Amino acid sequence: DARVTQTPRHKVTEMGQEVTMRCQPILGHNTVFWYRQTMMQGLELLAYFRNRAPLDDSGMPKDRFSAEMPDATLATLKIQPSEPRDSAVYFCASAWAGEETQYFGPGTRLLVL
Amino acid sequence: GQSLEQPSEVTAVEGAIVQINCTYQTSGFYGLSWYQQHDGGAPTFLSYNALDGLEETGRFSSFLSRSDSYGYLLLQELQMKDSASYFCAASGGTALIFGKGTTLSVSS
Repeated sequence: DARVTQTPRHKVTEMGQEVTMRCQPILGHNTVFWYRQTMMQGLELLAYFRNRAPLDDSGMPKDRFSAEMPDATLATLKIQPSEPRDSAVYFCASAWAGEETQYFGPGTRLLVL
Repeated sequence: GQSLEQPSEVTAVEGAIVQINCTYQTSGFYGLSWYQQHDGGAPTFLSYNALDGLEETGRFSSFLSRSDSYGYLLLQELQMKDSASYFCAASGGTALIFGKGTTLSVSS
């Protein structure tokens, strides 16, 4: 049963700390997305990669957020330093380029105190 | 700018039919997708319309009118388990732009 996995599932941290979230896309998918979901803003696209290359990170606050794909099986999203307004659920999704269906991971629920 | 509008809440009873509308304003529009998200869960894909018309998948159908920049999700024979949030999302050839979601509450 292929699925996207994300770690950690929950994270509580203090303002100013670094947060790293990890995502393992479905094997064979070559497109990876990072989304942030809040009650106020809904689902926002932060960044996405195709064949490990970043295609769009315009939705990401550049001064504190960074996204990378060290290899085809791992995508990371880092926040440094974290702020209370970063509290949200962060979803990773993967897809095969050319297909519309995106498969979402279970999300990382982040609380920054 | 790019935006999608959908109602924030819809309520219905078991066995009923409900329609969730979505209007969009995007550049380079390819098609309209629908996703379902239960409380505490992840969005899951329901349907995709690239062409005008109705696509049917079991109890769920999705419709698209490109000329009207409009689509809808039709849920028939509602069940309690259909209580969830439903998102329309526009594909512009790059990444999806999601609407704010419609919370559907199904009561017995």
